[in-house]
Parts: sequence; structure tokens; C-alpha cells
Amino acid sequence: DAGVIQSPRHEVTEMGQEVTLRCKPISGHNSLFWYRQTMMRGLELLIYFNNNVPIDDSGMPEDRFSAKMPNASFSTLKIQPSEPRDSAVYFCATLPSGGGTEAFFGQGTRLTVV
Amino acid sequence: AQSVTQLGSHVSVSEGALVLLRCNYSSSVPPYLFWYVQYPNQGLQLLLKYTTGATLVKGINGFEAEFKKSETSFHLTKPSAHMSDAAEYFCAVSGDAGNMLTFGGGTRLMVKP
Repeated sequence: DAGVIQSPRHEVTEMGQEVTLRCKPISGHNSLFWYRQTMMRGLELLIYFNNNVPIDDSGMPEDRFSAKMPNASFSTLKIQPSEPRDSAVYFCATLPSGGGTEAFFGQGTRLTVV
Repeated sequence: AQSVTQLGSHVSVSEGALVLLRCNYSSSVPPYLFWYVQYPNQGLQLLLKYTTGATLVKGINGFEAEFKKSETSFHLTKPSAHMSDAAEYFCAVSGDAGNMLTFGGGTRLMVKP
């Protein structure tokens, strides 16, 4: 398996534009997480899906952020409209069912909003 | 709710010296504990994990960690630091909330020649 695949790797956009980040999980992994990493706040969990269903979205900062998982092989994180303070590295991580298993991370998407 | 505290956001050691990165956790159920490493411009990769059984776990690159329930700790050690160990290290816990991982704030390890 190629691991967790995120796209794009880098995104530069202007304030107010819509941004969509994509994640393809490892086949067979039924839990998916979106994290945001910044210097100031470290690694923050945004949302957690299990079997394509959002379980905990309490980390989503505000209504401008939305995430979907339409099927087991694809998830998106959308920011609309984007703001400079959304600049961060966004990671997708997935893991299989069963306790004690580790999460596998994608390479991340570095988002810069100017 | 589960939580993780990493003491020291930055740790600096000399090459060849002992590495000790501290992690304390809180969990209402027996925890699963993890250490991840992040190199610049990379995602996180697993160093080692504790689930059940032996409390001293060995990971990649010569790292190991010991689960101490009485101290609610899972400190990461390596006997002799190498320049290539310079990275950010994250401790994480799961168990309280199913598979959901909770990460500590991270510790940036710097290795001086």
C-alpha cells in the first residue's frame, strides 16, 4: 500500500478563496482523522471519522471548516472562505479497527493563505 | 478525558549523550501509548507503542520507552544521541475515546556536535 495520500502537498491561496484538501486512506482502515499543525498551537485534532461517519468534530474551529467522507477511500477538508490564520500544515491520519493500533499519517498539506 | 503532557518543548543534548524525553498521560482506562517522530517537512511516523504486556518497549533507531502506571508516565530514552535524531517527538494516548489519539504538545530535540 502507498500509505495515506494527501493532496495537494502545498497550497497557496488568497484570503476569501475556497480551499479543498484531500485524503486517501490506507485500504481497510476505517478510522480517519484530520489534524492541523501550527507553531503556536501544535497538533490539533479537527475531526474524527469512523466507518465514514463523523464521530467527533469538536475540534473544527468554526463554520468555515467542513469535512466529508463520502466513502471509505476518500475524505475532504474544506475551508470557505479561507483566512490568513488558517495557514498551517494539515495532516490526515488513518488506522484500522481494533484497539492499540497506531495511526498512519500522510505527508501533510502545507496551506498558506495570503 | 484523556490527555498528554510533554515536559519541555525543547531539549538539547550533545552527540553521544543520553536522550530523555518526558511524557505523562491521563486516562480513565488502561491506555495505549505511542511515541511518534516528525522530521522537517514530513508527516509523523511511529517510533514505538505500548499496548499490553511488557512495560519496556523498544522502537526503531535505538529508542525505548517504559510504561510506569504508578507514575502515569511513558518517557522516551536513547542511550546515545546521534545527529540524525534531531526532530520533533510527540507522545500520544488512546483508550478513553476508542481509537481517538490525543497528542502532547511535542518536544523538539536538538543534537549538538
